[in-house]
Amino acid sequence: AQKVTQTQTSISVVEKTTVTMDCVYETRDSSYFLFWYKQTASGEIVFLIRQDSYKKENATVGHYSLNFQKPKSSIGLIITATQIEDSAVYFCAMFHNTNTGKLTFGDGTVLTVKP
Amino acid sequence: GGIITQTPKFLIGQEGQKLTLKCQQNFNHDTMYWYRQDSGKGLRLIYYSITENDLQKGDLSEGYDASREKKSSFSLTVTSAQKNEMAVFLCASSIRGRAETLYFGSGTRLTVL
Repeated sequence: AQKVTQTQTSISVVEKTTVTMDCVYETRDSSYFLFWYKQTASGEIVFLIRQDSYKKENATVGHYSLNFQKPKSSIGLIITATQIEDSAVYFCAMFHNTNTGKLTFGDGTVLTVKP
Repeated sequence: GGIITQTPKFLIGQEGQKLTLKCQQNFNHDTMYWYRQDSGKGLRLIYYSITENDLQKGDLSEGYDASREKKSSFSLTVTSAQKNEMAVFLCASSIRGRAETLYFGSGTRLTVL
């Protein structure tokens, strides 16, 4: 069965530093898609960044980047130059390359950025 | 741009009651989803629909029904509300439903008395 695990329940960092959030996944599919979503305090959930399993290059969008280690089934999210407004819950998710259209989420990591 | 509207924002029901949550999207997306989020937890898929009148069960479909009579709307019914299913229910949509970005509504918070 497909599974997504985020082992870090919460992380606290000082503003302007770099933080890495871990995510490991399980799948039998040879092709799959990995996502990170952010949930703000208001409950809004927004897409941040994605990695397609067949791509070797790590994805980067703004101050978000991914550390994709396929042999380890790992997809870490790196946020550089953190800002107070980055404080949120971050969810890792995996889309299986099947006809089911199912997106499986991890339990999330709470990030607190302090001044 | 578009928006996903969920109604109501807050829903209070009695144990055993049948309750319906509604979702509308104006993205013209094909696929729509219902997820449940328990406090401090991730999202679990209840139902999804890849097109009008299509329904697919997720991992948590027992105790729920869904309906997709129009492309723009997707409703979820809690067939018999239980106290242990107090949660936030999130509707989402995507263009085709295969590895596409999901867009989420703001959620319906269910309280069962």
